[in-house]
Amino acid sequence: NAGVTQTPKFQVLKTGQSMTLQCAQDMNHNSMYWYRQDPGMGLRLIYYSASEGTTDKGEVPNGYNVSRLNKREFSLRLESAAPSQTSVYFCASSLRGNTIYFGEGSWLTVV
Amino acid sequence: GNSVTQMEGPVTLSEEAFLTINCTYTATGYPSLFWYVQYPGEGLQLLLKATKADDKGSNKGFEATYRKETTSFHLEKGSVQVSDSAVYFCALSRGRTDYGGSQGNLIFGKGTKLSVKP
Repeated sequence: NAGVTQTPKFQVLKTGQSMTLQCAQDMNHNSMYWYRQDPGMGLRLIYYSASEGTTDKGEVPNGYNVSRLNKREFSLRLESAAPSQTSVYFCASSLRGNTIYFGEGSWLTVV
Repeated sequence: GNSVTQMEGPVTLSEEAFLTINCTYTATGYPSLFWYVQYPGEGLQLLLKATKADDKGSNKGFEATYRKETTSFHLEKGSVQVSDSAVYFCALSRGRTDYGGSQGNLIFGKGTKLSVKP
């Protein structure tokens, strides 16, 4: 019952450092997503991948890059972390047109 | 553009009280509507959904009816339990005719924190 797995769960970065958040799903879903959650803001879409080999910007893509490595994996990279990127990040996946399933979240602090 | 507005919390209720969390939306086309729940320290879980007008989604005693005339999808439960304490998010996605990633592009409300006291 793995579902959507994301790593790491917690990370502290210094301003300017880079890191990659990893995400994998074992449900054979076509679409994958990265969201960020900030207090009082709900969840906002950063990037999504409709299918293997495609990626598109969401609502708040600046400062991030993504890679859809294969059908299972979708990574999110911060090239030069900023304090404004302190947030909780959620990876999610869905089969075309159906329910979205979320991972458990990655808590990132940039100091 | 599409948007979701839900009542601000926190909402504090006693066990067995009646719960309503209001949600209204603005959208073009025929969006699907969702309620997600987030328990402390966890990711979001789908609670219920409705895909067309007048549909009623239900799960675990929670219900919400898709009201196109009032553009609303209010969440209700007749008798809350302490275990229902969580943050509840209303969300919409684009119409049924969108496929691929766009169908899964959910637009979320800001969330309503519910605390249920024994």
